[in-house]
Formats: sequence, structure tokens, C-alpha cells
Amino acid sequence: AQSVTQPDIHITVSEGASLELRCNYSYGATPYLFWYVQSPGQGLQLLLKYFSGDTLVQGIKGFEAEFKRSQSSFNLRKPSVHWSDAAEYFCAVDRGNYGQNFVFGPGTRLSVLP
Amino acid sequence: KAGVTQTPRYLIKTRGQQVTLSCSPISGHRSVSWYQQTPGQGLQFLFEYFSETQRNKGNFPGRFSGRQFSNSRSEMNVSTLELGDSALYLCASKVRQGPGETQYFGPGTRLLVL
Repeated sequence: AQSVTQPDIHITVSEGASLELRCNYSYGATPYLFWYVQSPGQGLQLLLKYFSGDTLVQGIKGFEAEFKRSQSSFNLRKPSVHWSDAAEYFCAVDRGNYGQNFVFGPGTRLSVLP
Repeated sequence: KAGVTQTPRYLIKTRGQQVTLSCSPISGHRSVSWYQQTPGQGLQFLFEYFSETQRNKGNFPGRFSGRQFSNSRSEMNVSTLELGDSALYLCASKVRQGPGETQYFGPGTRLLVL
């Protein structure tokens, strides 16, 4: 089945440590890829997106993500996590013109230790 | 530009009632999508409107309906509320940027059905 997976339900890191959140998708063609962040009780904020071109994309708040076609992955990274990064992170894909085109992963909750 | 706005932010209803939620997209955006977010099911796509026409629809019962006005504002309606309709309802306005489309989300309406 076509899907978006985020293998880690919950990740805990110490403030200042590096972070990598994993995202894999299973679609025939390369979709458009996104990462969103959601703080408790809030809407989703766009961190970054990949449409084409350079496979390493920079986003807001110091985040970056790398698209790897061979692994069908779009992992989110940050070199040094801040306490304010504690939130839920969603990977999403837009399959273009394939019916319900925008599909979200289940999310990864990030906790940050002081 | 102002972001996506949703009203009301919080609602409490009882079973059997109906509810109408409103969403105003970012100025100039003509596409509006609605999502339901629950702890158990995650983010689920309800429907998308573009230029007053429903363009896509998710797998929700007919009790969930929507519409879009000529100014791109959108409403969604849920009739005969059930306890399971308690959720955060998110609206997103979508715009084409290059080869793909990007969604920007509002803060959501939290609905509690008693």
C-alpha cells in the first residue's frame, strides 16, 4: 500500500545534541515532500519542502532534510537541538494528481532534556 | 500577509447537534483543504475545495460536508455529531509554488462532543 512511515513514535534528545527524524515513503514516482512541526494545541507549521533539484534542502529554525531516491527517504536533521524544538513532527508527501494527493505520516514526538 | 484563520478556536457540542467551522485562507490562495486530527487516527484528509468546487474528498461519511465561497473562505459542517467526532479540525490553504503545491495550516478548531 502506498504510505508514509515515520518509524520513530517518540524520540528524546538532550539539548545541544544532534537530531535526525526518519521518514520513508512508498510511491512509484518521486512525490513532493514536506516536513511540518506542531506544538501542543497548535496548527502545523511548514519547516521545509522538496520539489526537485538539490536533494539537501534548508528550512526554518535551523532544520535541513535530505532526499534520497534510492532509499525513498526524506530525513529531517538539526545539528543542535534547542528546548523549544520539543514538538510533534510530521512528514508529508504530495503525490500530485493522484486523487487524495496529500498524505501525512503518523508523526514523531520529540522531547528535549535540559 | 496574514496567515490562515479558523473560527471558532474551541467548541463544545452534544451528540446529535450539528456544527459549522470556518476557515479563511491566505489572501490570494484559492485552494482550501480540511483535515481531522485525532490521537488514534492521526491526520486524516476530509476534502479540498478550489474555486468553489470540491476537488478531492477523503473517506468520511456524508455527515461531513463543506463548501467554499467566492472569496475563497470555506466552511465545513458536521451534522448529527457523534462522540468520535471530537478532534482538532485543521484547515490549510494551498498555493502552487514552482512544480508543486504547498499547504499552509491554520491554528485549528478543537471540537469536543459530549
